[in-house]
Amino acid sequence: GAVVSQHPSRVICKSGTSVKIECRSLDFQATTMFWYRQFPKKSLMLMATSNEGSKATYEQGVEKDKFLINHASLTLSTLTVTSAHPEDSSFYICSAGGTGGGYTFGSGTRLTVV
Amino acid sequence: AQTVTQSQPEMSVQEAETVTLSCTYDTSENNYYLFWYKQPPSRQMILVIRQEAYKQQNATENRFSVNFQKAAKSFSLKISDSQLGDTAMYFCAFILTNAGKSTFGDGTTLTVKP
Repeated sequence: GAVVSQHPSRVICKSGTSVKIECRSLDFQATTMFWYRQFPKKSLMLMATSNEGSKATYEQGVEKDKFLINHASLTLSTLTVTSAHPEDSSFYICSAGGTGGGYTFGSGTRLTVV
Repeated sequence: AQTVTQSQPEMSVQEAETVTLSCTYDTSENNYYLFWYKQPPSRQMILVIRQEAYKQQNATENRFSVNFQKAAKSFSLKISDSQLGDTAMYFCAFILTNAGKSTFGDGTTLTVKP
């Protein structure tokens, strides 16, 4: 079946630095990927829709300059958290696919900013 | 805009018993899909079951089945013969046929007790 690989699974960074999270579709091409943020025991909050070869579409309230999304190929989307601060600490998940088949999710990245 | 409501934040069930998780949604559209996803403590999102809105027959996947009531906009998940490994957070999700992003409910945390 479809597999989405997400790396790293955990990352700790210092406040003010940037962190890049990668999401790869391993056995299918994904023209669209989605990035979510999830707080403990809460639902997934859609941050942005990543479109291959074009700009990402951000949800209302999500800072475009802080959460940079790049979708340079049909199998890779990246989320860069720039100038990270402790309030950016969270669990970030990507997904691909969708519509009738349902999404395939990455395994998530736990970001801790110290 | 579509909304998805899961009215049971937490539920518990004894091992081998049956439990039903509720989900209601609101949409003015006629063509869509509904899903149940499972998120165990590992936080990996796993597709449990899917239902096409145009199909009257309820979807089943082994011990998991749904009760889809389109007129009532209800989509409940029944888990039979509950197992300890079913302990997880369960999310109901909705997606329009021609749209990319899903709407997720707030989730129900299910605990299966030995």
